[in-house]
Amino acid sequence: QSVLTQPPSASETPGQRVTISCSGSSSNIGNNYVYWYQQLPGTAPKLLIYRNTERPSGVPDRFSGSKSGTSASLAISGLRSEDEADYYCATWDDSLSGWVFGGGTELAVL
Amino acid sequence: QVQLVQSGPEVKETGASVKVDCKASGYTLISYSIHWVRQAPGQRLEWMGWINNGNGNTKYLQKFQGRVTITRDTSANTVYMELRSLRSEDTAVYYCARGDHAYWGQGTLVTVSS
Repeated sequence: QSVLTQPPSASETPGQRVTISCSGSSSNIGNNYVYWYQQLPGTAPKLLIYRNTERPSGVPDRFSGSKSGTSASLAISGLRSEDEADYYCATWDDSLSGWVFGGGTELAVL
Repeated sequence: QVQLVQSGPEVKETGASVKVDCKASGYTLISYSIHWVRQAPGQRLEWMGWINNGNGNTKYLQKFQGRVTITRDTSANTVYMELRSLRSEDTAVYYCARGDHAYWGQGTLVTVSS
């Protein structure tokens, strides 16, 4: 089981908005930055959001991150078919002294 | 530009060891830590451990303690991850990732067969 909890799947229609949640604890999300990745089949994870809300250059502003307490969320607006992918949250865990990941959310754009 | 380039796929027998390379370019290795993450087929990402490339200190996930060693060669700008006593459950794609999360290697498929 994962230290961070994500819904296993999400779905929405093109053009709509979807939110993916990530729940943790005080030793990880509550005290550290949250990162979000997009992973397409057969490829390495790609960083979408860093330090809770920041977007690397080249990531569209349709992707946004937020954090409150021991939970974080990734929102994707104006959904496109190419957004179909697995999405992972990650953060540092103070007890583990290492990274922890969510179980991943498989997004379907119907 | 920054790149992390990993060594090629490996096929190993149960009980053997594997060593995966991660060569960094476009920046100075000692400026960032390197983490190793693996992903078994159809499974989630699993963090294995990391190395502070500045001082060589390492930290491993407890489940891998005693079986994994991460080292670095700063002159070669390369980090190495060795996993020993391989079992079928170790079949996975192994990734190296820079400590700021921004750059990942392309992944190395390690297949363990009996």
